Amino acid sequence: AQTVTQSQPEMSVQEAETVTLSCTYDTSESNYYLFWYKQPPSRQMILVIRQEAYKQQNATENRFSVNFQKAAKSFSLKISDSQLGDTAMYFCALHPQGAQKLVFGQGTRLTINP
Amino acid sequence: GAGVSQSPRYKVAKRGQDVALRCDPISGHVSLFWYQQALGQGPEFLTYFQNEAQLDKSGLPSDRFFAERPEGSVSTLKIQRTQQEDSAVYLCASSFQGGGGTEAFFGQGTRLTVV
Repeated sequence: AQTVTQSQPEMSVQEAETVTLSCTYDTSESNYYLFWYKQPPSRQMILVIRQEAYKQQNATENRFSVNFQKAAKSFSLKISDSQLGDTAMYFCALHPQGAQKLVFGQGTRLTINP
Repeated sequence: GAGVSQSPRYKVAKRGQDVALRCDPISGHVSLFWYQQALGQGPEFLTYFQNEAQLDKSGLPSDRFFAERPEGSVSTLKIQRTQQEDSAVYLCASSFQGGGGTEAFFGQGTRLTVV
């Protein structure tokens, strides 16, 4: 079975601070993909960043970066210089290689305060 | 269209009614997915289409749930004899291909409330 766990239901930081969201997962697949999605109040999921499991280099997209620890099955998201527009629900998701679906965690509600 | 479009955005149904939720994927996208998102939870997979073929329906919670994509484009998720536990946001997503790592583009969802 594939599972994704996000242990932080809510987080709150001040604008311009750095924040890290945690995610652990479990899969028996040897290759897979990991994603972070952002869901603002509009409900539309927006891809933030993705990582392929066989790539050791951590993915980076502007202010967003990940810390991928394959042995520990950990995939955390770091947001640098946080902005008010980063306020949203963030979901970690696993895409096993052999399956055509995403397995999502429970989400972390992130609030950026002015 | 520019993105995945879902309609209606909100639906209130009386318990026992049938509902139909529509998804217009991005033009040319082969893969289409339906997810169910309960309040305060992450989305859960319902079903997957590759063109018109429904290749995975393992996530459909009961035989009251039925999805189709007859021409490989627009998809409809139908729920028969709705029950209160069906209340959720139903998200549709499409991608150009089904391969792992391909970005899935999501619609804004339909919020279904069963009263």
